[in-house]
Amino acid sequence: QKEVEQNSGPLSVPEGAIASLNCTYSDRGSQSFFWYRQYSGKSPELIMFIYSNGDKEDGRFTAQLNKASQYVSLLIRDSQPSDSATYLCAVNEETNSKLTFGKGITLSVRP
Amino acid sequence: KAGVTQTPRYLIKTRGQQVTLSCSPISGHRSVSWYQQTPGQGLQFLFEYFSETQRNKGNFPGRFSGRQFSNSRSEMNVSTLELGDSALYLCASSLETFGGNEQFFGPGTRLTVL
Repeated sequence: QKEVEQNSGPLSVPEGAIASLNCTYSDRGSQSFFWYRQYSGKSPELIMFIYSNGDKEDGRFTAQLNKASQYVSLLIRDSQPSDSATYLCAVNEETNSKLTFGKGITLSVRP
Repeated sequence: KAGVTQTPRYLIKTRGQQVTLSCSPISGHRSVSWYQQTPGQGLQFLFEYFSETQRNKGNFPGRFSGRQFSNSRSEMNVSTLELGDSALYLCASSLETFGGNEQFFGPGTRLTVL
């Protein structure tokens, strides 16, 4: 069974710090990787996606992918209280649009 | 461009009843996927529709079904409701059906089964 693991939560960081969120996946056939942010009571919002090994930066967010280690991470620089939310990692295969989600990591940014 | 819309936003039903939820994708998007979110199981894939055809199906009982219309709008139906069906039901739309497509979620329908 394909699994996506998001451990080491909840996470609390002070405002201005770097928050590092990690995700591992079991299926080596996974090709695309997504990070969603979900505020309490709201639906998931896509914030980053990455397909190739390495880093991808978008503003304060950096996604990192290492397919050999089956590991994807999200770095949030200069964390703000508004970043406080649950972050969901999701993966899918090249030929299948089904997203397999991790359980999420709750991030709290302390003012 | 308008986002994904879902109706109704909230629904209260009793055990044994059936329910129909509706989803309108982003204009131009042809794929609609449905997910169930519960505190215990997280987000789980129900099924995906593309060009009025079910393309993928998750591990849910046959009480869960869906369809897609020619304008890409989709409905999902749950028959013989059980208490455990209480959840947030989310639909997501994307341009195409193959992997790698960005999926955008609607606001969800909160279903409570009493």
